[in-house]
Order: sequence, then structure tokens, then C-alpha cells
Amino acid sequence: DAGITQSPRYKITETGRQVTLMCHQTWSHSYMFWYRQDLGHGLRLIYYSAAADITDKGEVPDGYVVSRSKTENFPLTLESATRSQTSVYFCASSVLRKRGAKNIQYFGAGTRLSVL
Amino acid sequence: RKEVEQDPGPFNVPEGATVAFNCTYSNSASQSFFWYRQDCRKEPKLLMSVYSSGNEDGRFTAQLNRASQYISLLIRDSKLSDSATYLCVVPPDAGRRALTFGSGTRLQVQP
Repeated sequence: DAGITQSPRYKITETGRQVTLMCHQTWSHSYMFWYRQDLGHGLRLIYYSAAADITDKGEVPDGYVVSRSKTENFPLTLESATRSQTSVYFCASSVLRKRGAKNIQYFGAGTRLSVL
Repeated sequence: RKEVEQDPGPFNVPEGATVAFNCTYSNSASQSFFWYRQDCRKEPKLLMSVYSSGNEDGRFTAQLNRASQYISLLIRDSKLSDSATYLCVVPPDAGRRALTFGSGTRLQVQP
């Protein structure tokens, strides 16, 4: 009954380094999302994916790369980390995105990333 | 007007009090909404959905006011465990790509 898991839970890195945050879900949900949460901004969508091999940009995609080769995994990569990317990152999944439908999102526990 | 707006609070209320939060939205075509709860340093979790007829779950009541484009969350008989941030959520609609989350309203229930 794992649901949706993120790893690592905490990460400290240095500017310029590449960092990959992992997200894995066991529900076979078609949609997956990456958000960042910062004080004063709430949750902001970075990227999302409607299915394997289908990804699209969200509100704040710059500096991030995603891939989705398998339905259950949706890794987020910071190609060259910057201090402004210090944040809490949440992965989420949902069954189906349909207008007016009850497309509830389920969140992972988050990854707290510090870029020094 | 922002897609979703909430009063950040904090709302400080004594145990047993009734408290209500509002959330305004800009897209008049939106059809269903959600309230999520987020505890400090934890992930958001669905509290309840909000439909045209409203929704009640125990001490929690969610209502939708289409004319004024806001939804509300009413908590009766507040408990210490209700202390959290409550996020208003608008679902994807034509031209939008994912749920839009409000910045949240912080509730602190005091003994």
C-alpha cells in the first residue's frame, strides 16, 4: 500500500550541480505532477504528465527537466541547481484529468531541497 | 483577478469555536472545487470536494456561491487537531492544464 513515494526526503546540494528527485506511484494513475512550494507562493506547478512519454510545462518550468518512460515513475531533474530552486517539492498523481470530474490529486510526502 | 485567492490568515480561534474561510475564483466556468488540508511540513491532503449543492462532512461544510464566485469552508466545534493550512483548489478547465491551488489560509485553534 505504498501509494506515491518521493525520494530523497531531504537533499542538500551546491549550485551548479545536477539533482534528480524521484517520484513513484503504485496506483497506475495516468496523470502525474511536480509542484514546488515556497512561502508566499503556495503550490506552483512545474511540469505535469498525462501518460508515459507525454509531458508538458506548468507555471514555472525553467531550470527543470522531466521524463516519463514508465507510467509509475516521474523523475524531476534540476540540470544546474541554483539557490532560487531551494524549495519543497511535491509530486502528485491523479486518475484522469477531465473537465468537471472529481480528479483528485494525491501527493507524495515531499522532498526538501536546499541549494547552497 | 488571480485565479484563486485566499486570505492567508492566520485565523486564531478558541477550541469549540465556529470558523469560516472564503476563497474567490476568477473562472466563472469552473464546475467543481476542492478543499485540501496541509499540516506543517506535510503534503496536502484532500479534505472535501465542493459541488453546486454544497457538501457536509461531520463538522465541516463546504459551499459554493456561483453568483459571487467564491467557495467557503465552515468548521464547527473547532478542535486543536484542526490547526492546519486549508488550501482552496480549482480544477482544470478549458485552456488550463492542472489544478490551481490557492496559497492557503492558516488556522490555529487554541486551547
